[in-house]
Amino acid sequence: QLQLQESGPGLATPSETLSLTCNVSGGSMSIRNYYWGWVRQPPGKGLEWIGTIYYTGSSYYNPSLKQRIALSVDTSKNHFSLKMSSVIAADTAVYYCARHLGYGAQEHWYFDLWGRGTLVTVSS
Amino acid sequence: SFEVTQPPSVSVSPGQTARITCSAPRLWYAYWYQQRPGQSPVLLIYQDTKRPSGIPDRFSGSSSGNTATLTISGTQALDEADYYCLTWDSRSDSFVFGTGTKVTVL
Repeated sequence: QLQLQESGPGLATPSETLSLTCNVSGGSMSIRNYYWGWVRQPPGKGLEWIGTIYYTGSSYYNPSLKQRIALSVDTSKNHFSLKMSSVIAADTAVYYCARHLGYGAQEHWYFDLWGRGTLVTVSS
Repeated sequence: SFEVTQPPSVSVSPGQTARITCSAPRLWYAYWYQQRPGQSPVLLIYQDTKRPSGIPDRFSGSSSGNTATLTISGTQALDEADYYCLTWDSRSDSFVFGTGTKVTVL
């Protein structure tokens, strides 16, 4: 059974770059129509899509975060990663990685499998 | 991207029906997620009305115009959770979650 597990530092310093990795186990990332995404949730608040990447490296970013984020994928290690630069306190959130099913046009895409999430606190 | 609006809270008695709406300026398909406290979201409904295997049939979805609705029939105490819809905004090329609805089973 496919599982996703986020990893990374629980604490980040303002203005620095945050790096998170999602390890995919129990199956391959390199399957047609399976994309891989990141979603975050500030404490007590709602969900926000960050970005999505395909195993080929094609990626899609939330326009409001696009200037500060970069997604990458390493199929040899079966994991994908998020880098977010110039972090501020408002980036404090639980960060989830998730499988993003992508059949046809984007209005048909949805997240069907989620990791447990990792809390990242941005503080000096 | 546009805002996808949900009522902040819905209260329901056990065994009754809860309805949660999701409205957007332009609504393509709606996808619904349940998030219990301290847990990851779980997919309940995809493409407006379809239910993944393993999801109880008391959860159903519908859509009309720019509003989608999640209906919980015969609500149980374990349905107390936050519910989010998800849709696609073609103008900004982004996936947008709704504002979220907290369901309380009284």
